[in-house]
Amino acid sequence: SYVLTQPPSVSVAPGKTARITCGGSNIGTKSVHWYQQKPGQAPVLVIHYDSDRPSGIPERLSGSNSGNTATLTISRVEAGDEADYYCQVWDSSSDHVVFGGGTKLTVL
Amino acid sequence: EVQLVESGGGLVQPGGSLRLSCAASGFTFSSYVMSWVRQAPGKGLEWVSAISGIGDYTYYADSVKGRFTISRDNSRNTVDLQMNSLRAEDTAVYYCAKSAGLAVAFFDYWGQGTLVTVSS
Repeated sequence: SYVLTQPPSVSVAPGKTARITCGGSNIGTKSVHWYQQKPGQAPVLVIHYDSDRPSGIPERLSGSNSGNTATLTISRVEAGDEADYYCQVWDSSSDHVVFGGGTKLTVL
Repeated sequence: EVQLVESGGGLVQPGGSLRLSCAASGFTFSSYVMSWVRQAPGKGLEWVSAISGIGDYTYYADSVKGRFTISRDNSRNTVDLQMNSLRAEDTAVYYCAKSAGLAVAFFDYWGQGTLVTVSS
């Protein structure tokens, strides 16, 4: 089955740029979606189809996908960005949704 | 406004059964794939099951196939998850999630979740 690998944690100072990676075999050939989840809350979609932002998501959040790695980039990080972030794909070979293990973003 | 409201969670003994329901509103329900996603305490997200807009296709994670059944009633705008032969490892918050279209692809709206605890 398809596996998505994320770093367990990323730390960044306020105002700096955070990059959260999502690794998978030839992930660049798949569409990658990203969710933000704050404690006690349901996940929220922040990026779909690699780099598209849903309405209401700030331009500071962006996504890219190439080769074996997809990346969620958060520019000018704010305290309110502190959350768990999950990448997700649809694996057409197994007809399964696959989530990465999640990355906890800590704002120092 | 899209709303997804889950119900039916609770405490159940190992080997027991539980039926979760999700009531949807604010969109044309039959036009969208619906899914269940769960999250064990302190763990990440795990997709459980999905069902096509008219209910002719269903998909299951390997961990629940043969034990869980997803269904939908487009006249009542509800999607259910029948869970049988429950195990301790099924303990989780179960979220109902709406896909953005006729394909599973991704989830643009989520409910607040309902907690299922499997314990003796």
